[in-house]
Amino acid sequence: EAGVVQSPRYKIIEKKQPVAFWCNPISGHNTLYWYLQNLGQGPELLIRYENEEAVDDSQLPKDRFSAERLKGVDSTLKIQPAELGDSAVYLCASSSGTSGWSSYNEQFFGPGTRLTVL
Amino acid sequence: GNSVTQMEGPVTLSEEAFLTINCTYTATGYPSLFWYVQYPGEGLQLLLKATKADDKGSNKGFEATYRKETTSFHLEKGSVQVSDSAVYFCALTVTDSWGKLQFGAGTQVVVTP
Repeated sequence: EAGVVQSPRYKIIEKKQPVAFWCNPISGHNTLYWYLQNLGQGPELLIRYENEEAVDDSQLPKDRFSAERLKGVDSTLKIQPAELGDSAVYLCASSSGTSGWSSYNEQFFGPGTRLTVL
Repeated sequence: GNSVTQMEGPVTLSEEAFLTINCTYTATGYPSLFWYVQYPGEGLQLLLKATKADDKGSNKGFEATYRKETTSFHLEKGSVQVSDSAVYFCALTVTDSWGKLQFGAGTQVVVTP
């Protein structure tokens, strides 16, 4: 079974340029997460989707970041315009079922996209 | 708020040495606790978990016990191998967070032959 796929694996851009990251979750997983991982730190949740609905985007900097999951399968995270401080690894994860208030469904992570903003 | 603190790395060990990585937490509510591992060039993988006090999670020779009295979830392995070289993350989720994971900063482990 294929795991979570992310592309590109690496991206180098100039500041103020736009950039987009793509994620294809494990087949059948209706919950999708985007995390930001700064160097030397643990991942931090940016946004969580249940199918095509963004149910937790409280940590997403909406002035420059946007995300979509139009058909409830793959997802795109965009930054426009990118800033130097956006250099980090962007991780995508997926899980099956809906994580209810009393349950936890294992999250499967992709390899991430390493963004460098010059 | 919720937070996870784990020991800084890198931790450098010789093969067959004993490994301990300390992890403590603060949480509102009753957390579930996890250890994730990230091998070079790969995504994070769930290593083990514990969902209630005194539970012991174990996998691949690694163990961690949920200690509510000390708010800790230390990771241990009795005899490490070179293939255990990776970054290890302690994490928690609480019952009203819909699966949102709160990670520690990660601890790099380097095992030398």
